[in-house]
This record gives sequence, C-alpha cells and structure tokens, in this order.
Amino acid sequence: GQQLNQSPQSMFIQEGEDVSMNCTSSSIFNTWLWYKQDPGEGPVLLIALYKAGELTSNGRLTAQFGITRKDSFLNISASIPSDVGIYFCAGPVINYGGSQGNLIFGKGTKLSVKP
Amino acid sequence: EPEVTQTPSHQVTQMGQEVILRCVPISNHLYFYWYRQILGQKVEFLVSFYNNEISEKSEIFDDQFSVERPDGSNFTLKIRSTKLEDSAMYFCASHRLAGDTDTQYFGPGTRLTVL
Repeated sequence: GQQLNQSPQSMFIQEGEDVSMNCTSSSIFNTWLWYKQDPGEGPVLLIALYKAGELTSNGRLTAQFGITRKDSFLNISASIPSDVGIYFCAGPVINYGGSQGNLIFGKGTKLSVKP
Repeated sequence: EPEVTQTPSHQVTQMGQEVILRCVPISNHLYFYWYRQILGQKVEFLVSFYNNEISEKSEIFDDQFSVERPDGSNFTLKIRSTKLEDSAMYFCASHRLAGDTDTQYFGPGTRLTVL
C-alpha cells in the first residue's frame, strides 16, 4: 500500500534557525498535507498542496509539492520556541476508481527549538 | 470556530474490559473517521463512516472494534475486549464534503491506557 517516508526523524535547532524536512513516497499522491501536533493534542493542518510543483506559504512556513508527485518538503524560517512539536506529512489514499479516501501519515519529524 | 470534541481525554481500563470513546464532530460535517497513534509512532487510519455505515476500514479495525452514530451529534468507537496493545491516542476527525478528505478536522484525542 501507499506509504510516506519522512525525514529527519528529529531535529534540535537554535531559535532563529531555518528548518527543512521532507517526505517521500513510492507512489503518487494528488494532495500533500503538512500537520503539526503539539503534545497531548490532535494534528492541526498547516499547509495543503494540490498541484505538482506548487509552492505555498503560510507565514514562516513554506511547503512544496514535488513535480513527480512523490515528494514534498516543508521549510520553517526563523524558528521560534512555539514551533516545537511533531510535524507530519500526510496524504489522502487514492482509492480504486480515483476517489480520495482516508489519510495516511508519515512517521513525523520531532522539532526541538533551543531559545 | 467550530471544533471536534472528544471525551474522555484519558481512559484507563483493565485488559478485557469494554471501552467506548466518544466524539462530537463539527455539526454540519458528514464524513467521520477514527485514527489511532501508538506512543511515539505515526497516526494510523482505523475506519471511516458516512451515511450511517462504514465506508472503509483498515486491517487494524478487527471484530473487536465497532463504530456507531447513535444520534445526530455523537460518533463513538467501541472496543469490546481491550488488549494491552490497544493502548494509544485515538483521534476522531470529520469533514463536510466528499472531496474534502484533505481538510479533515481532528479532535484533541483520547488517551487509552490498557493495564
């Protein structure tokens, strides 16, 4: 089945630094999603990407949908302490017939920011 | 802003006991999901539900699991005879339109601990 491989597994950075993480798949996705999960909370959608090659920003966050539709990256610029959390890439499963179904998630990148 | 709510926030139970996890999706949403996240691992799809019936289910969702929408607001996940390996965070999610699988709203989760 479809799987998402996310890297790095964890990052420990200094406040103010830029961060980059990525997600790859052996199969095509029509939509790429990036979620953030704070401790004890559910995932919150940060950015949704719908077109191959699309580059989308949300404040200090920028994400791109790879041209092959098999990868995506998320960048965070000028990190701050509240960026701490786990970042997941996700995408809807493509059902037989082409409709989108449930989400599958990568294993997450745990971000720690040192003030 | 409307949100998905879940109760309880933490459930502790003995192995072999039945548990019911409750969710109140956003009021005008029609598609409902349960996901689980074992500590330190990725979020995994369990089941989707639409029009009072299961749409899709994963291999995790075996005969010990069931879902129900007993009234117009609640969406429940029942585990009939809990096992130690059922210990996890359980997230409910919902969206309104068929094409909105990429914008699922997640609840804060219920932490299930099976002793």
